[in-house]
Order: sequence, then structure tokens, then C-alpha cells
Amino acid sequence: KAGVTQTPRYLIKTRGQQVTLSCSPISGHRSVSWYQQTPGQGLQFLFEYFSETQRNKGNFPGRFSGRQFSNSRSEMNVSTLELGDSALYLCASSLKGDGGYTFGSGTRLTVV
Amino acid sequence: GESVGLHLPTLSVQEGDNSIINCAYSNSASDYFIWYKQESGKGPQFIIDIRSNMDKRQGQRVTVLLNKTVKHLSLQIAATQPGDSAVYFCAENNNQGGKLIFGQGTELSVKP
Repeated sequence: KAGVTQTPRYLIKTRGQQVTLSCSPISGHRSVSWYQQTPGQGLQFLFEYFSETQRNKGNFPGRFSGRQFSNSRSEMNVSTLELGDSALYLCASSLKGDGGYTFGSGTRLTVV
Repeated sequence: GESVGLHLPTLSVQEGDNSIINCAYSNSASDYFIWYKQESGKGPQFIIDIRSNMDKRQGQRVTVLLNKTVKHLSLQIAATQPGDSAVYFCAENNNQGGKLIFGQGTELSVKP
């Protein structure tokens, strides 16, 4: 079966711009979580969506937001990009968000 | 300000030896633990998981041990192969849906 698909794989943006990243979960999975991975902070939880509702949120500023559609696909948006937002953004899907989290390959965002 | 990269612990083993990777988790209320393997340019790949009602679980060539008394998790890899070279992360979940808290990771290097 198809895994978790993240698009695009690579992205270069300028400071001040905004960006939208997409995640398509494994078919039937209703939970999608997003993570930021940087050399300085490691893997940090951004937020989780389950059945189109944000269920959990990490400690990131309001510039980071997300949403989930009725087909469980999810998007995350970062507004007013800063250099420090350069990172690998990963999403993970799970059937119900109680285990079996499968990660995508990530989107590498570079802010210049 | 200047960002300081995480200095990952490293473990170097000979091909064919057994590897043990350790992890101290933070929350005594966590009830679900996962080990992930991450290769360069890829997302984390699920290896094995364990719930808090168990202290040991075995998979193919891997064993996870959980010591709740000292909040310690370990991953044992038998007959380590060059393809096992990667960064290994432990993650914990304390019944908060799709929110995983990750450890800093350990870089495993296997010498042929």
C-alpha cells in the first residue's frame, strides 16, 4: 500500500514569504501529525489533526498553522518566514493516533 | 542568535557484533514508546514499539527493553549489518493522541 506522501520534497523561500506544505496520509489513517527537524533542536512536534480537528499543539508561534481535509489530507502553513524556519518538515499518519505512526520523507524548506 | 547543533551520541560497532542503543525518556506518565531509524535524506522509519504494560518485545533482529523504574529504554540489534548505519531515535507518547516526544538520537556506524 502507498505510504505517507509529502509534497514538495524541496522548497526555497525568501524571508517574509509564506509557504504551504502538503501531506497525504496512508489510506484509512485519520490522524496526521507534523514535526520540525533541525540540527539544533532535533525533532519537535508542531500539531496533530484528527478528523479535521486540531487535537494537539506543540510550542510553536502562531505563524505555524495547519488544517486537515475530509479525505484526511493535511496542509501546514508558515507565514512571514524567518531564516530559523529552515528545516525538514515531516508528517506522520496513524489510524487513530494511538500508535503505528508512519512518517513521510519530509519537505526540506530553506529560507534565504 | 547563533544556533548550536545537537551533538549526537555516536556508537561504532563491527559488522556482525550486537549493538545496544540507550534512551532516557522524560515523562513517567508515558505509556507508549517507539524506536525509529533515520537514514540521510529520509524520514524516520518505524523499527519496533512497546507499551508500558510490557518490559520486553522482540522483532526480527531487534529487541526493545523498557525499564519504567528508571525511565530507560534500550534497543538491541543483533548481528549488526552495514545497512543498519543510521541515526536511531526513541520516542514517547503519554496518551496524547499523535504527539510524540523524541529523544536527541544516536548515530550508529557499522564498520565492515
